[in-house]
Amino acid sequence: GESVGLHLPTLSVQEGDNSIINCAYSNSASDYFIWYKQESGKGPQFIIDIRSNMDKRQGQRVTVLLNKTVKHLSLQIAATQPGDSAVYFCAENIGGATNKLIFGTGTLLAVQP
Amino acid sequence: NAGVTQTPKFQVLKTGQSMTLQCAQDMNHNSMYWYRQDPGMGLRLIYYSASEGTTDKGEVPNGYNVSRLNKREFSLRLESAAPSQTSVYFCASRTGGPTDTQYFGPGTRLTVL
Repeated sequence: GESVGLHLPTLSVQEGDNSIINCAYSNSASDYFIWYKQESGKGPQFIIDIRSNMDKRQGQRVTVLLNKTVKHLSLQIAATQPGDSAVYFCAENIGGATNKLIFGTGTLLAVQP
Repeated sequence: NAGVTQTPKFQVLKTGQSMTLQCAQDMNHNSMYWYRQDPGMGLRLIYYSASEGTTDKGEVPNGYNVSRLNKREFSLRLESAAPSQTSVYFCASRTGGPTDTQYFGPGTRLTVL
């Protein structure tokens, strides 16, 4: 999961296994959630999003689950590949007039060949 | 489309020097954002511009100023750089709706000595 601090939580998985990255968000009023992937030296890249009126959304090899009761978001990656190694961030959209994204601190996914 | 572009990619400043980070997007997006990213932390919003002609403070605006020059360009200025501003700076843009994806530039790595 994600936490505040200088050291990123790390998830180490074997190539071919499934990965689950967790995120706790803070604002009950958040209406939209996004997962980003950030490779070393690059900007964050959009992976998948989900609106607050949904609890599951699937993409290609990725699934996002939303549990509003406990304010928890997860990203599942099927058949993890070496190219999936990166830092993964969740973000929540604080709606209303400001419409801003609040980012979690990130989880480092390390895929072992 | 180039997406979101940032210049420069790298910069080293001495304490007290000033500089402007440039950002441009060619996606006709209304909203633009400046974030900073520090080791082990998520992205923190410095300033944002919901539309051309408007700018607002984010989470960590102190020591920075911004200009939304036109719809395409949003610059970030450090008037008197401090070592605490050593960071990686990302610009982002989105169309402006609450469920619109935010796209990021490649980042500017700034070191203040």
